[in-house]
Amino acid sequence: DAGITQSPRYKITETGRQVTLMCHQTWSHSYMFWYRQDLGHGLRLIYYSAAADITDKGEVPDGYVVSRSKTENFPLTLESATRSQTSVYFCASRKPGTPREETQYFGPGTRLLVL
Amino acid sequence: SQQGEEDPQALSIQEGENATMNCSYKTSINNLQWYRQNSGRGLVHLILIRSNEREKHSGRLRVTLDTSKKSSSLLITASRAADTASYFCATGFQGAQKLVFGQGTRLTINP
Repeated sequence: DAGITQSPRYKITETGRQVTLMCHQTWSHSYMFWYRQDLGHGLRLIYYSAAADITDKGEVPDGYVVSRSKTENFPLTLESATRSQTSVYFCASRKPGTPREETQYFGPGTRLLVL
Repeated sequence: SQQGEEDPQALSIQEGENATMNCSYKTSINNLQWYRQNSGRGLVHLILIRSNEREKHSGRLRVTLDTSKKSSSLLITASRAADTASYFCATGFQGAQKLVFGQGTRLTINP
């Protein structure tokens, strides 16, 4: 049972380059989420998806693009990376349940450094 | 803006002692959850308390919720070195499918 995986785990890129972070889950959870974690800010939601082909913005979506053609995959693309996007990125999926029981399962994270 | 605010930001105690962390939030919620994050890892769900519940237990964890004060506390009893981690509260609220996380409390258990 692989659960939720992210790749790559570490990435170094340069300003202006396009970068895609991958997220894959094996549970067929309908909801998936992308967060970034920075010192002093905790976790902030970038984008989320309720199902294949349904995505919505979170708190900090600028500079990011998502897609969800298949339920199990939710890639996050930085169209033109900036130094301010240096962060740790976490993907999560939501356990099915009533709205009052929506626990989330997190991937191991991707550490991205933009030079 | 952050929905949940944790207090304290950092806590250091001796092994065997109890650790208490607090979380305050701003708007009405459906539930409040606590997650743990070990260094370099993803978050792991610990416990969920619904808005109509006041207290919940899971092993050495005890969570309370006071909706009138918009606050929650997480108590870890008989702490162990393995409890060293950051702890985050997250709030789920009416009509939304997402959680809002606080900035976390960094807990250090000294042997």
